[in-house]
Amino acid sequence: QKEVEQDPGPLSVPEGAIVSLNCTYSNSAFQYFMWYRQYSRKGPELLMYTYSSGNKEDGRFTAQVDKSSKYISLFIRDSQPSDSATYLCAADNYGQNFVFGPGTRLSVLP
Amino acid sequence: EAGVTQFPSHSVIEKGQTVTLRCDPISGHDNLYWYRRVMGKEIKFLLHFVKESKQDESGMPNNRFLAERTGGTYSTLKVQPAELEDSGVYFCASSQDLTGIYNEQFFGPGTRLTVL
Repeated sequence: QKEVEQDPGPLSVPEGAIVSLNCTYSNSAFQYFMWYRQYSRKGPELLMYTYSSGNKEDGRFTAQVDKSSKYISLFIRDSQPSDSATYLCAADNYGQNFVFGPGTRLSVLP
Repeated sequence: EAGVTQFPSHSVIEKGQTVTLRCDPISGHDNLYWYRRVMGKEIKFLLHFVKESKQDESGMPNNRFLAERTGGTYSTLKVQPAELEDSGVYFCASSQDLTGIYNEQFFGPGTRLTVL
């Protein structure tokens, strides 16, 4: 079993839709949970991170972590074509060496 | 401020040859990480430097891979001899070393390695 599982998609939504991206993980020692966005031919860029369980909001993006079910979510409101990218979840127990999910490719259609 | 840079952006070599990848972290970042993504798989951790010391090299696949960070600035990752399964994208990341708070890792654009 992989430590972090993520549906690779691809996921296509119309502009303005609410997008829900999800990951599950198996290591109960994980404390830090990150969402990265990666455009084609670029490196991953941190969107948000959460320490332990809870919600975190930043503009159109909301990250949720439920440690009881080992479930990580990222919600994108009012999605835009510029949000089209691969979204990677990652987790770690020291905030140092990450374990990544395979990424979900998202397309937001105008 | 310049971000993490990596060189080359793309390298094509034949099986058995040697390749050296270079990473220049953000100035002042003591932490430097190497990751790689092979085709269809997730990004996987290779190793972590704190300044010039290897903090964690548990992700290095075998002894064909050698990473160095002399002087605690830029780092090189050498693959010798390269095998077909080494093909993938090699990412470098760096972060500050701030005690007690989350240290964001900033990623470079990656080096795409193709072994024929």
